Amino acid sequence: AQSVTQLGSHVSVSEGALVLLRCNYSSSVPPYLFWYVQYPNQGLQLLLKYTSAATLVKGINGFEAEFKKSETSFHLTKPSAHMSDAAEYFCAVSDGGSYIPTFGRGTSLIVHP
Amino acid sequence: NAGVTQTPKFRILKIGQSMTLQCTQDMNHNYMYWYRQDPGMGLKLIYYSVGAGITDKGEVPNGYNVSRSTTEDFPLRLELAAPSQTSVYFCASYKGDSPLHFGNGTRLTVT
Repeated sequence: AQSVTQLGSHVSVSEGALVLLRCNYSSSVPPYLFWYVQYPNQGLQLLLKYTSAATLVKGINGFEAEFKKSETSFHLTKPSAHMSDAAEYFCAVSDGGSYIPTFGRGTSLIVHP
Repeated sequence: NAGVTQTPKFRILKIGQSMTLQCTQDMNHNYMYWYRQDPGMGLKLIYYSVGAGITDKGEVPNGYNVSRSTTEDFPLRLELAAPSQTSVYFCASYKGDSPLHFGNGTRLTVT
């Protein structure tokens, strides 16, 4: 079975500050890991994904995430927050080739001017 | 390409009524999914399909039914609507090395 835990339902940062959104997973097989972003009244869009290649994954809009097997983590970071980054972020895991993703509960990113 | 299209965007149902949420994709994706999103709960998988004629239950299938007669279409049926089914419903599709493609959602209220 697979599961995802996102620490913090809300994260608040100032514009220009570091963004860190935490995700821990459990999986019985090598996982595929994803971060999705959801803007108001829209569906989810893929930010980045890890599929067993490089452990540091770069995504769109300046985001990146690092796969750490020893910590079962896949935290999302961005060096400098922008107002347009305010959105809901979801971490997801799937057991390799099954591609039935399980989503975390989401973290709402709030960016203050 | 239109991607994943969901209709309707909004719907209000009375308890006990039935309806079908429509989902169609034009990307020739073989995998399709229905999720529901409730505040603070993330996305829960209702049903999924790995190809035409094949469907399977997800985490929260009770009260719903699906069919997949074509690659393009994956409708979700609510037979006897209940207040617990008030939610935002997302359809998604996938193939190969692509990411999940989501529709823009259907916001359903059951009163």
